[in-house]
Amino acid sequence: AQSVTQLGSHVSVSEGALVLLRCNYSSSVPPYLFWYVQYPNQGLQLLLKYTSAATLVKGINGFEAEFKKSETSFHLTKPSAHMSDAAEYFCAVSAPTASGTYKYIFGTGTRLKVLA
Amino acid sequence: ETGVTQTPRHLVMGMTNKKSLKCEQHLGHNAMYWYKQSAKKPLELMFVYSLEERVENNSVPSRFSPECPNSSHLFLHLHTLQPEDSALYLCASSQSSNYGYTFGSGTRLTVV
Repeated sequence: AQSVTQLGSHVSVSEGALVLLRCNYSSSVPPYLFWYVQYPNQGLQLLLKYTSAATLVKGINGFEAEFKKSETSFHLTKPSAHMSDAAEYFCAVSAPTASGTYKYIFGTGTRLKVLA
Repeated sequence: ETGVTQTPRHLVMGMTNKKSLKCEQHLGHNAMYWYKQSAKKPLELMFVYSLEERVENNSVPSRFSPECPNSSHLFLHLHTLQPEDSALYLCASSQSSNYGYTFGSGTRLTVV
């Protein structure tokens, strides 16, 4: 069975600093991996996705994530944080089940705070 | 506008009321989902509809009743709710789990 773990429920960075949000997954088969962002009082918005093409995936708003099979990780990064990046970020994994359907699992979320 | 529209955005209801949440998508997606998001808890998948058939029901209490009349619309009928049901209810749609989900903005439900 697949699972996803986000390390750190809260992360604070200074404006202009590197953003690193950690996500590790567990899956018995090659998974599909996603990052979503949620702003206050809104739904989740897809930031980027890994679907077995390039291991470095670029998304919206300057974010990118690298799939590292050896580390079972899919960490989200952004070189320079902006105040508007303050939000909650969710990692998700989708992998096939024995019945052939896909099961989608969300992490517990990381709340990013950007300090002026 | 995300492509998935949820109404109402906010709802306050008493424990004896009956209300419905509505979700609409015109993205051509073939699967729709209801999620519950409570403070300090992981996202909880409630129901999954694929091609208008319910394919997953994650032990949700019967006071929540979903309805999917066509591939573009999804409802969540609520009756005799409890205060612990207060949460953000999110609707999502997808063409396939591999493509990611498109979420609506949610309905903030408060049960008093």
